[in-house]
Amino acid sequence: GAVVSQHPSRVICKSGTSVKIECRSLDFQATTMFWYRQFPKQSLMLMATSNEGSKATYEQGVEKDKFLINHASLTLSTLTVTSAHPEDSSFYICSAIIAGEQFFGPGTRLTVL
Amino acid sequence: QKEVEQNSGPLSVPEGAIASLNCTYSDRGSQSFFWYRQYSGKSPELIMFIYSNGDKEDGRFTAQLNKASQYVSLLIRDSQPSDSATYLCAVRGSQGNLIFGKGTKLSVKP
Repeated sequence: GAVVSQHPSRVICKSGTSVKIECRSLDFQATTMFWYRQFPKQSLMLMATSNEGSKATYEQGVEKDKFLINHASLTLSTLTVTSAHPEDSSFYICSAIIAGEQFFGPGTRLTVL
Repeated sequence: QKEVEQNSGPLSVPEGAIASLNCTYSDRGSQSFFWYRQYSGKSPELIMFIYSNGDKEDGRFTAQLNKASQYVSLLIRDSQPSDSATYLCAVRGSQGNLIFGKGTKLSVKP
């Protein structure tokens, strides 16, 4: 069965609204979770590394004030896209390292109108 | 900065043939290499990983690593239409994250 879940799987929102995406490791603790973004016909690009109990580490070019990451527990990390715009429309995928192996969530398709 | 390069394809092979997917990487110090398969609209799923020079076989899949040439490949024997997908090559980054190539789209024709 799935080791990492994401919610929602698909979201459509209006420009200017905020969207929260949850990433959960099921039955396992994950001290580190990663957030990736994939635009159409492009590869997955790392946005940030989320560590439980500390601030996330963002990749160059990713605005930390726009993409808020909270890793409040060993099983949950959230990504909030604040004031979303059409250019933020993308496929957001989280992954968790569990027992040394990386597991991907099923992804969240965000469409900003 | 580590980079991973792949031919975007599409690579088209007939059913039953061998599909050969190639990948090069920039960081000579890279130690861990991964092949993922991604169907449209889905997240990647791990096919194989390889750490040592040479070949590693798992069923119809064989990963090949040549660290001197900074080259990783994936062979798929007896290709099936269900193998049609985008194949992503990845190397491990310094934080434990994965650095992906852009992927090669494979089409297996019945």
